[in-house]
Amino acid sequence: DTGVSQNPRHKITKRGQNVTFRCDPISEHNRLYWYRQTLGQGPEFLTYFQNEAQLEKSRLLSDRFSAERPKGSFSTLEIQRTEQGDSAMYLCASSTPLRPGGEQYFGPGTRLTVT
Amino acid sequence: AQSVAQPEDQVNVAEGNPLTVKCTYSVSGNPYLFWYVQYPNRGLQFLLKYITGDNLVKGSYGFEAEFNKSQTSFHLKKPSALVSDSALYFCAAPYNNNDMRFGAGTRLTVKP
Repeated sequence: DTGVSQNPRHKITKRGQNVTFRCDPISEHNRLYWYRQTLGQGPEFLTYFQNEAQLEKSRLLSDRFSAERPKGSFSTLEIQRTEQGDSAMYLCASSTPLRPGGEQYFGPGTRLTVT
Repeated sequence: AQSVAQPEDQVNVAEGNPLTVKCTYSVSGNPYLFWYVQYPNRGLQFLLKYITGDNLVKGSYGFEAEFNKSQTSFHLKKPSALVSDSALYFCAAPYNNNDMRFGAGTRLTVKP
């Protein structure tokens, strides 16, 4: 399977704990995106990378959130001191170099539940 | 910058009937518009996109969408719905050519 993969698929954690998610994009894609999706809503943009450079961050990405893509391949999203409001599906997507109208390919997501 | 809106939270159709899922857009410049589908506990799957050219765009699984500039709409259509088409559908447009901005989604239910 050469699609976007995400691990873990599900994560249950207690409030105040740190969690880290991983995304492996399609190998030839140099753009990688993180989105958050809450129940009944469309995905909301969090951040994106071109190769290893983090080029944009949403205002949704508070100081407790950090994302890395150290070698321009896989990426990690860490949430520190989790809160119940962080409970959501975290989606990763990748795409080829910027061209007008390029579609993004999504992974299956990581569902986070903060108790 | 572009934004999209989906005016219907829910669409119900009978199997075999045509279906339409609505999307309207607000853009500056030439619009790039997308449709994605999300099945339960799955990520989003790309269905089709409009960049330029023919107003009727054909995509995966027999879906098509019609770009209408005068009505600023990009409605998703299928001539004959299947029960397996039941899913969450999202209209989307790129924002500043970077991230994708999604509508709130429309839940399509196809009843046998």
